[in-house]
Formats: sequence, C-alpha cells, structure tokens
Amino acid sequence: NAGVTQTPKFQVLKTGQSMTLQCAQDMNHEYMSWYRQDPGMGLRLIHYSVGAGITDQGEVPNGYNVSRSTTEDFPLRLLSAAPSQTSVYFCASSSTLGAGGPNEQFFGPGTRLTVL
Amino acid sequence: AQKVTQAQTEISVVEKEDVTLDCVYETRDTTYYLFWYKQPPSGELVFLIRRNSFDEQNEISGRYSWNFQKSTSSFNFTITASQVVDSAVYFCALSEGISGGYNKLIFGAGTRLAVHP
Repeated sequence: NAGVTQTPKFQVLKTGQSMTLQCAQDMNHEYMSWYRQDPGMGLRLIHYSVGAGITDQGEVPNGYNVSRSTTEDFPLRLLSAAPSQTSVYFCASSSTLGAGGPNEQFFGPGTRLTVL
Repeated sequence: AQKVTQAQTEISVVEKEDVTLDCVYETRDTTYYLFWYKQPPSGELVFLIRRNSFDEQNEISGRYSWNFQKSTSSFNFTITASQVVDSAVYFCALSEGISGGYNKLIFGAGTRLAVHP
C-alpha cells in the first residue's frame, strides 16, 4: 500500500493563479481531510469529507474548494492564490468511527506551496 | 470553543535526560479523544497515541509515557532517557464531537524538542 500520496511536493505560484493539490489514498478510508501548517500555529483543518460526494468546511475554508467524486481521491483547489496561502498542506485519511472511537489519521508527505 | 494549548514552544535537552511535553485542552464535550503526533525533521506526521475521555489510565510504550488528567484538562507526554532521534516537533490534538464523526482534529501549536548528544 502506498498510503496517502500528495502531488506536487513543491509548488510556486503567482498571486491570482489557480491550481489543484492532489491527494489519493489506497486504504479504502471513508474520511479524508486537508490541513494547512503554518509556523507557530500547528495544523488547521481546511475541508473534510466523510465519504464520496460529501464534503464540509473546517476551520479555515476561505479560498479553497474541494470535491470527493471517489473514495480514493480528495483534491484541494486554490481558486485565486494569495500570499496568505503560502503554507505546507497535508492531506489525511482515516477509517470511519468505530466502536472504539476515531481511528488514527494517516497523513501524506505534504505539499509546500509558496505564493508570490 | 475547543482549544489545545502547548505552552512550551521549544525545549532543549541533553541526551539521556527525561523530558515532559505539556498539553492542556478545552472542550465542552463529555466524550472526546486526544492524540499525540510526532513530526521529525523530514516533515511527515507520525501517530503516537490516542486516548478517549473515559480512560484516565496512564500509558507507557517503551520510553514514552502519557499522563491524562481530566481534573486539570491535561494530557502530558514524557520521554524517558531521551535520544537524538527523538528530536522533532510534537503535536497534541483534540477531536471534536459528533459532527465529522470525531475525526476533525484541533491541533496545538506544537513543541519543538531538540535532543543534543
């Protein structure tokens, strides 16, 4: 199993450009999410999905869109990049809540994005 | 509002010292889950432990131990006889309630641990 994969690993954008960060998992996990990591702020949830066709906003959703057409893929779209979106982006997945509570989330390797 | 506070921004120790990383959380939920993740210099996030709000037993895994105290809303992490390989950023996280199936994590700001030879 490849686990959670993210592409690209690095990206530089100019203000106003759009792009899609790709995330895929091969563990048949229903739950997927996107976080951004900024210095001194830990990780903050952007969007999440509890299954194909179902998405919802997290703590910092503005400027980002997501869709979940398959169980495996959960792309994150930046509509019009801004310097404030310079960050490291992590995708995560986990199996759904079981009797013992939430399972561990498996994180991808991250995408380092710089917006000039 | 739910919140996780890791007051220690950076900790520096010499190898073989014991070190405790503090985590204080706020939540109104009676059922919640706490996590610790490790982020080594390579950047990936590694799961260390999950604890639910009904289980206050301390846990030990090798050199790692966790102390959960509901009375003080704390979930502290101790590394015994630290090693250079323990150098990393450590994150404490809290899962929200029913919305999102307890899978929405709220992270603390992290504590950067440097273990020197």
